[in-house]
Amino acid sequence: NAGVTQTPKFQVLKTGQSMTLQCAQDMNHNSMYWYRQDPGMGLRLIYYSASEGTTDKGEVPNGYNVSRLNKREFSLRLESAAPSQTSVYFCASSEALGGYQPQHFGDGTRLSIL
Amino acid sequence: RKEVEQDPGPFNVPEGATVAFNCTYSNSASQSFFWYRQDCRKEPKLLMSVYSSGNEDGRFTAQLNRASQYISLLIRDSKLSDSATYLCVVRLNQAGTALIFGKGTTLSVSS
Repeated sequence: NAGVTQTPKFQVLKTGQSMTLQCAQDMNHNSMYWYRQDPGMGLRLIYYSASEGTTDKGEVPNGYNVSRLNKREFSLRLESAAPSQTSVYFCASSEALGGYQPQHFGDGTRLSIL
Repeated sequence: RKEVEQDPGPFNVPEGATVAFNCTYSNSASQSFFWYRQDCRKEPKLLMSVYSSGNEDGRFTAQLNRASQYISLLIRDSKLSDSATYLCVVRLNQAGTALIFGKGTTLSVSS
């Protein structure tokens, strides 16, 4: 069972470069999320997609864009990477928003920006 | 005041010990509550949801006190494999998506 798959696992960028983090889930979930996790901080929501065709900003959306390509895939794009975006990025999915729907996480992308 | 606060620890306990973690949340409109577990350099995984009546899953017991805005997790008979960071997580309302994560409490169980 793959669950939530993120690519790449690791990436080093130079300031100003762009890149797209990919996420795919095979659980037929409607909702998908992107978080970042920094040392000493809790996970913070960047963007989410309640269902195919919709996306909304989370707590820390600046510097990022997202695309819900289809029900399975939700990508995160850094248009012009900055050192402050060095972080571990987690994609997650859930059957639906709200209530006690658990979120299932991918194993993360470790991104360093020099 | 931070929205979800946890004692960062670390909690260092021997195998077989009972250990309790506490968590407070600031928004009284919070509706759903969870404990997630995160191993070093791994993704968070749901440990258990926390319901108003309290709930138990094997060696793990979770309690919720809405009046005090307080959540707890009790681990009995600690195992080496319980060593991890435990994240307290709160959802602000039923319809919304905002899961607020605490920074986590680190547990180290030694033999």
